[in-house]
Order: sequence, then C-alpha cells, then structure tokens
Amino acid sequence: QLQLQESGPRLVKPSETLSLTCTVSGDSVSSRGSSWAWIRQPPGEGLEWIGSMFYSGSAYYNPSLRSRVTISVDTSKNQFSLKLISVTAADTAVYYCARQESEFDYWGLGSLVTVSS
Amino acid sequence: EIVLTQSPGTLSLSPGERAALSCRASQSVRSAYLAWYQQKPGQAPRLLIYGASSRATGIPDRFSGSGSGTDFTLTISRLEPEDCAVYYCQQYGDSPPRFTFGPGTKVHIK
Repeated sequence: QLQLQESGPRLVKPSETLSLTCTVSGDSVSSRGSSWAWIRQPPGEGLEWIGSMFYSGSAYYNPSLRSRVTISVDTSKNQFSLKLISVTAADTAVYYCARQESEFDYWGLGSLVTVSS
Repeated sequence: EIVLTQSPGTLSLSPGERAALSCRASQSVRSAYLAWYQQKPGQAPRLLIYGASSRATGIPDRFSGSGSGTDFTLTISRLEPEDCAVYYCQQYGDSPPRFTFGPGTKVHIK
C-alpha cells in the first residue's frame, strides 16, 4: 500500500525558506512512470498545484510560484522535497505531497506550515 | 491557462437524493485529463474520478463522472450522510505540464 508522509518545520519566518520532505513507502520515487507533486491549501481555501517532478527527471512549476520553488528527488532515501524561498504570510497553508499521473491518486496527510515572525 | 469554474458553490440535499455538480472549463479539456476529488474537513483530498468517467479504486458506484470538451459533471446518485464534503474538479494540461483545480462545490446533507 502506497503511503506518503510530509515532514519539516511547521513555523517559518517571513522572508525565509520553507522546506518540506515527502517520504514515500510502497513505491519507489525512481520507478519508471512515477511522478510526484506538491499541492497546497491555504486555511479555508481551495487547492493550488505548486509543482511536479516528472518521471523523466524534469520539474515543472506553477507559473505563479516558479521564481521561488524548487522540487527535487533523493532516490537514496526514497524522498522528494519542496523548497519555497522568500515566504510571506500568503504562503501559510497545508502542504500536501502526492503521487501524480494526470491526476493525483495518492496523497499525504498534509502538513500545516505557518509563516509568522 | 485553463480556468475551471464549479457550480453551484453550495448544494444542500437530503439523503437519498441525487446531486449533480458542474465543472466548466474556459477552454476544451481532454477527457483523459479531468479528475474529481472529495475532501472532508481535516482530511486530504481523495481521488474519486479520473479520465472524466473512471472511478478510482474503492469508490462506490453511486459516484459517476461524465462530460467532454468544456462541460463535465460529477453525479452522486443516492446521497448518504458521509458524502458531506467539498468536491473539486482538476484538469491537466500537457503543453507545458500544468495542473489547475476548480474552486470546489460544498455538499451539505440535510
């Protein structure tokens, strides 16, 4: 059974970098055809795709966040990560990692990250 | 960029009734790239429908998806109390790769 688990600091100061890791079990992040994504949801709001690492090794990002986001994969730890620089209060959200095809079929439980001094 | 609009914003129905949730796209979406999710309070979204009409693993057959082009529908044929949730549609565009979600429809069971 595929499971994903987000981890990382829950509180980040404005202008600093948000870093989250998603640990995958039950599948390999490097398996052929597997792609991985980050999605976020501000409190009380809808879902926003942040970006994805495709099985080809290419990463694609939401244009609204592209200048601040990096997604990477660590095959040795079976993890993938999100870095979002120069955060503001508007980046406060529940951050989800997910396995991706043309839809998101498996999701982590989510991690609430608050941006505040 | 394709924008998804969902209607109604909120739906209030009784158990056993039929719910029809609409998702309209600003441009044509390939049916293979349209999905629906259910999200209950405090939980991660759950995939219900992919490819516009295929049910995900373990999803009851009272959930069905239909539509093509710019108009898609999620139908819940016989509402149950546990169907109280927000439902999102999502599309994937592959040139360049990009995902967008609709704003959601909240379903309230009376």
